[in-house]
Amino acid sequence: DAKTTQPNSMESNEEEPVHLPCNHSTISGTDYIHWYRQLPSQGPEYVIHGLTSNVNNRMASLAIAEDRKSSTLILHRATLRDAAVYYCILPLEYGNKLVFGAGTILRVKS
Amino acid sequence: DVKVTQSSRYLVKRTGEKVFLECVQDMDHENMFWYRQDPGLGLRLIYFSYDVKMKEKGDIPEGYSVSREKKERFSLILESASTNQTSMYLCASSTSTGTGLFATEAFFGQGTRLTVV
Repeated sequence: DAKTTQPNSMESNEEEPVHLPCNHSTISGTDYIHWYRQLPSQGPEYVIHGLTSNVNNRMASLAIAEDRKSSTLILHRATLRDAAVYYCILPLEYGNKLVFGAGTILRVKS
Repeated sequence: DVKVTQSSRYLVKRTGEKVFLECVQDMDHENMFWYRQDPGLGLRLIYFSYDVKMKEKGDIPEGYSVSREKKERFSLILESASTNQTSMYLCASSTSTGTGLFATEAFFGQGTRLTVV
């Protein structure tokens, strides 16, 4: 099973961009890279996913390295509401089995 | 706009009781999941289901069972609740792409905080 490695925590200032890294050196050619986040007292929330190309949506951007061994979630302008635990996940098997690691705690300072 | 609904937000049960946690999704998803979340241990998969009446064990199925009689509903059952099952329980659902490459998002409920006393 491909595993991911993320920093335990990061800190950002409000209104500044945030780059959350994730290493997945054992990723296979068919593994998608998913990002979820969990705000305090809530269930996890989907953020973005990708396979090879960089992806953008209304919440964030996902930059995937050319060798796919790492990726970066980019929040273009962090707000206080972005303070959460961010999980980088490689779904296993068919059917979207998601295995969550420890994630990165993002703190946003005003 | 609610997509995954868990029947209770907070629940207190006594040791030895049979406990049912209910989850309903309104997106016609094939896949449903039950996780528990504990401080320092993160989210751990208990059971999941790919279709009605189908179930698969996750990483920590001991002490739990599940039921999926209808596509939209996935129940987690604690046959005899114990204090070590005090936890936050999260239900999720997703759809399959049909190609074997799972690239779709999962939707989570708000969670049920279960306390067993």
